[in-house]
Amino acid sequence: ELKVEQNPLFLSMQEGKNYTIYCNYSTTSDRLYWYRQDPGKSLESLFVLLSNGAVKQEGRLMASLDTKARLSTLHITAAVHDLSATYFCAVSQEYGNQFYFGTGTSLTVIP
Amino acid sequence: DAGVIQSPRHEVTEMGQEVTLRCKPISGHNSLFWYRQTMMRGLELLIYFNNNVPIDDSGMPEDRFSAKMPNASFSTLKIQPSEPRDSAVYFCASSLSGANEKLFFGSGTQLSVL
Repeated sequence: ELKVEQNPLFLSMQEGKNYTIYCNYSTTSDRLYWYRQDPGKSLESLFVLLSNGAVKQEGRLMASLDTKARLSTLHITAAVHDLSATYFCAVSQEYGNQFYFGTGTSLTVIP
Repeated sequence: DAGVIQSPRHEVTEMGQEVTLRCKPISGHNSLFWYRQTMMRGLELLIYFNNNVPIDDSGMPEDRFSAKMPNASFSTLKIQPSEPRDSAVYFCASSLSGANEKLFFGSGTQLSVL
């Protein structure tokens, strides 16, 4: 079974600061997804990364994928309170259609 | 498009009762997934269907759990009999397989078994 690990699990950061969330996975895959979940809500898709070196950016969030290192990062620039949420990465195997989710990173941005 | 629709939003039941959760995927999507989310175990894939056929049910915890997809627009997840440890949020998600498409999630069903 494909394993997906995120770190940190919990992140508390001040507004205006930068930080990176890491997502490691255990087997070959070139499809990596980032999701956001607000408390009590469903999961919302943020980014889809489909090749080595892929980089996607939206607002203060930027995601990248290194398939050789089996690593994806979600970088937060100049954090604001509205970014407080839990962020999940998910990996889909090269063959088949299962999506395996990481443990999630609970982000709290403090004013 | 209305997105993935799940019902009920909340379900409170007593131990031993049968529980049925329902899901309507996005029209045109051919893959459907059932996930369970708890604080302790995070997001667990229970089962997924492709073209209405169950492909992988290895995540279904016990025989008390069963899932069906009688047609492309409807799926159920049934727990019989329910137990307190089944309390969780159950999400249904759908996607268009084979196209690197992302998952679209429903709003979830919050299940509490007393």
